[in-house]
Amino acid sequence: QSVLTQPPSVSGAPGQRVTVACTGSSSNIGARYDVHWYQQLPGAAPKLLIYGDKYRPSGVPDRFSGSKSGTSAFLAIAGLQAEDEGDYYCQSYDSSLSGMLFGGGTKLTVL
Amino acid sequence: QVQLVQSGGEVKRPGASVKVSCRASGFTFTTYGFTWVRQAPGQGLEWMGWNSAYNGNTHYAKKFQGRVTMTTDAATSTAYLEVRSLRSDDTAFYYCAREKWANSYGDYWGQGTLVTVSS
Repeated sequence: QSVLTQPPSVSGAPGQRVTVACTGSSSNIGARYDVHWYQQLPGAAPKLLIYGDKYRPSGVPDRFSGSKSGTSAFLAIAGLQAEDEGDYYCQSYDSSLSGMLFGGGTKLTVL
Repeated sequence: QVQLVQSGGEVKRPGASVKVSCRASGFTFTTYGFTWVRQAPGQGLEWMGWNSAYNGNTHYAKKFQGRVTMTTDAATSTAYLEVRSLRSDDTAFYYCAREKWANSYGDYWGQGTLVTVSS
């Protein structure tokens, strides 16, 4: 059982904005460890989307943004496009596990 | 450009071992580390550990300690993951990713290697 909790699914119409939450605890996000987000399109390897809570790697559109508050982190996707459909994972360090941890993943459907 | 190319799929019997390779190019190999992540069919991502190509330091997830070994070969710019005592629930895609420091993030990923454990 993951200690980073994500909703199993979110959906939105093209052009809309959706937010994916990643809820942790005092041993990970709440301890101010960085949160990273990955996008995994169908049949593909994961791709880094956001690192260090809010920074985008080169080439990632500014439609994707990250934020953090308390024991939760958030990935926002604005101007939804059909090609955004896929799975999204958060990741952070957990001091009780002494290692990295992924959230369970959220499947994004563009209606 | 940065590329990580992994070895091909493997089919193994329970109890056997498997060694997956990850050949890197497009950057200075020894200034990075490599993280390994696996994904069972239809499931989420699971972090396995990290290995430095600079000094060989390793940091394994507690779940895998004693059963996996991560190494690097600077001469061939290749990272390796060995998993021993395979079980059916080890059937998964195994991914390598470039990760500068332990407990940071993977910025470039390999294409994945499917390891199937079946009798």
